[in-house]
Amino acid sequence: DGGITQSPKYLFRKEGQNVTLSCEQNLNHDAMYWYRQDPGQGLRLIYYSQIVNDFQKGDIAEGYSVSREKKESFPLTVTSAQKNPTAFYLCASSRGVNNEQFFGPGTRLTVL
Amino acid sequence: RKEVEQDPGPFNVPEGATVAFNCTYSNSASQSFFWYRQDCRKEPKLLMSVYSSGNEDGRFTAQLNRASQYISLLIRDSKLSDSATYLCAVNMGSTLGRLYFGRGTQLTVWP
Repeated sequence: DGGITQSPKYLFRKEGQNVTLSCEQNLNHDAMYWYRQDPGQGLRLIYYSQIVNDFQKGDIAEGYSVSREKKESFPLTVTSAQKNPTAFYLCASSRGVNNEQFFGPGTRLTVL
Repeated sequence: RKEVEQDPGPFNVPEGATVAFNCTYSNSASQSFFWYRQDCRKEPKLLMSVYSSGNEDGRFTAQLNRASQYISLLIRDSKLSDSATYLCAVNMGSTLGRLYFGRGTQLTVWP
């Protein structure tokens, strides 16, 4: 089955620890995205990547980092510099930056 | 002005009702428009793309009004299972663009 996988589904971390969220797609999509969603809020773009080895900051990149070494993978690291990391993190991919995006199931991160 | 704006609702309608949502966008050069559905604590799922000529899929109709810069989603004969948050997404017309999502409109269909 083609799709986007994110792991883990739930993640708990202590304050001050860096944590990396996984996102993999087998749709052969060029573009990949990371969003954050807080309760009752819309999607906020953290980072996106149009092609391998290239990525751009979104609206709320501070405290996050990404890499795009492979077309299929776009991991997100939430660093200790992110002041309020507890949120629902969604990864998405699309054929191109202006095409429809398809989302993974998300990772709920709780920082204690 | 925000790139994309939606009425957050909530919209509470009885089964069988017709309900419509609008989504306004700021950039007249926008070319791509989409509606997504998001269930509670789940990921958004693509509902339909919005074409210049409109788009219909069963009980759902999406339309684009370029002159007034908005897209709409019409749901006819509402079902309980239509209860969800509906998000619109619009690109901004740039080759380095990305989609901008509205905050979503919450719909509850009651029996």
